[in-house]
Amino acid sequence: KAGVTQTPRYLIKTRGQQVTLSCSPISGHRSVSWYQQTPGQGLQFLFEYFSETQRNKGNFPGRFSGRQFSNSRSEMNVSTLELGDSALYLCASSSSGTPPYFGPGTRLLVL
Amino acid sequence: LAKTTQPISMDSYEGQEVNITCSHNNIATNDYITWYQQFPSQGPRFIIQGYKTKVTNEVASLFIPADRKSSTLSLPRVSLSDTAVYYCLVGDIHGGSQGNLIFGKGTKLSVKP
Repeated sequence: KAGVTQTPRYLIKTRGQQVTLSCSPISGHRSVSWYQQTPGQGLQFLFEYFSETQRNKGNFPGRFSGRQFSNSRSEMNVSTLELGDSALYLCASSSSGTPPYFGPGTRLLVL
Repeated sequence: LAKTTQPISMDSYEGQEVNITCSHNNIATNDYITWYQQFPSQGPRFIIQGYKTKVTNEVASLFIPADRKSSTLSLPRVSLSDTAVYYCLVGDIHGGSQGNLIFGKGTKLSVKP
């Protein structure tokens, strides 16, 4: 089976812009979660989607949003980018009875 | 939500066995213990998962005592390529939701020649 894929792998934006990141889960996995990883805060949970519905949400401002499509693919959006949003954004997919499997991540740099 | 405590860093030499212990005093009945490995700028990679006693796969072993308040990841005969950060997670992963997974700081393992 193909693993979790994320696009793009690298992205450079400027403050105030918005960005959309994409994640394709492992075939058959219906749960997709997003994480932000920074050197200072480590891995932090953003939100989780299951069957196109947000199931859990971490402690992030409303500028961070996401959605899931009927084929389980997911996107996350960050509006009004701030310098502190520079991070590695990770997507993970899982199915009932499996641990989360992570994608390679999208490295976002905000200038 | 179970919180985990791991050593911040560990050093080892090639060919040695490395044991990384994780404390999780508040583990719940339905919680599983899962370990991930992460290289810089890559996503965490699943290593092993267990509920009790001992689990072994082709890359590692996981030892869980009867009270389940701790666990030990054992990496046999490490090589330079095992240099990475190792995360211990505790949560009801089999319940389907990832929302209760909390990553700690992890253990940075450095393997020297």
